[in-house]
Amino acid sequence: EIVLTQSPGTLSLSPGERATLSCRASQSVSSRYLAWYQQKPGQAPRLLIYGASSRATGIPDRFSGSGSGTDFTLTITRLEPEDFAVYYCQQYGSSPPMSTFGQGTKLEIK
Amino acid sequence: QVQLVQSGDEVKKPGASVKVTCKASGYSIISYGINWVRQAPGQGLEWLGWINTYTANTNYAQKLQGRVTMTTDTSTSTAHMELRSLRSDDTAVYYCAREFKYYDVLTGYYIPGLDIWGQGTTVTVSS
Repeated sequence: EIVLTQSPGTLSLSPGERATLSCRASQSVSSRYLAWYQQKPGQAPRLLIYGASSRATGIPDRFSGSGSGTDFTLTITRLEPEDFAVYYCQQYGSSPPMSTFGQGTKLEIK
Repeated sequence: QVQLVQSGDEVKKPGASVKVTCKASGYSIISYGINWVRQAPGQGLEWLGWINTYTANTNYAQKLQGRVTMTTDTSTSTAHMELRSLRSDDTAVYYCAREFKYYDVLTGYYIPGLDIWGQGTTVTVSS
């Protein structure tokens, strides 16, 4: 099973700043099968990024994803108040279809 | 409007079973797979399994093998997740999520993403 490790566990930043969140896999992951989600308290997760770098429908362009192999990054430029939430990375295996999530990074207001 | 609506919260005793329902509307349920994900109180997301709603093929997380069954009723556009032999550490919010496949015209590959989520069903296991 592929283990995803996200860092940092908590990131304290101010609105307007840039956030860089990391997701490291225990073995190589196809970029096609790496996604990022945002979750706010009491809500279901929301898909932000699929295929490591493609934004989902309606996601602002201040969100971007990058990376390959075992290292992936979610970047949020110019943080807005509504961006403070928990972020999860997810990987898929294709055969058989399996998936795991990282443990999450909490982005909090400084 | 594309949405997934889940059944109501449940309270169960240890050893019992629970069946969570996820009804799809606004699209054909057989067009996309359904994933099930849970979140224990104060914890992260845990992937439970996947069902191909067209073929009924499934794949489950190893730790739940033998205790979980995922099915689809295409006549009612509903997916079900049954978890048996419940324990206290099964207490969690359970989500269903649609697995959309984005087509990458450059590579010809389909790229998955869980784009629509149910509202969540809280399952509490307590004696």
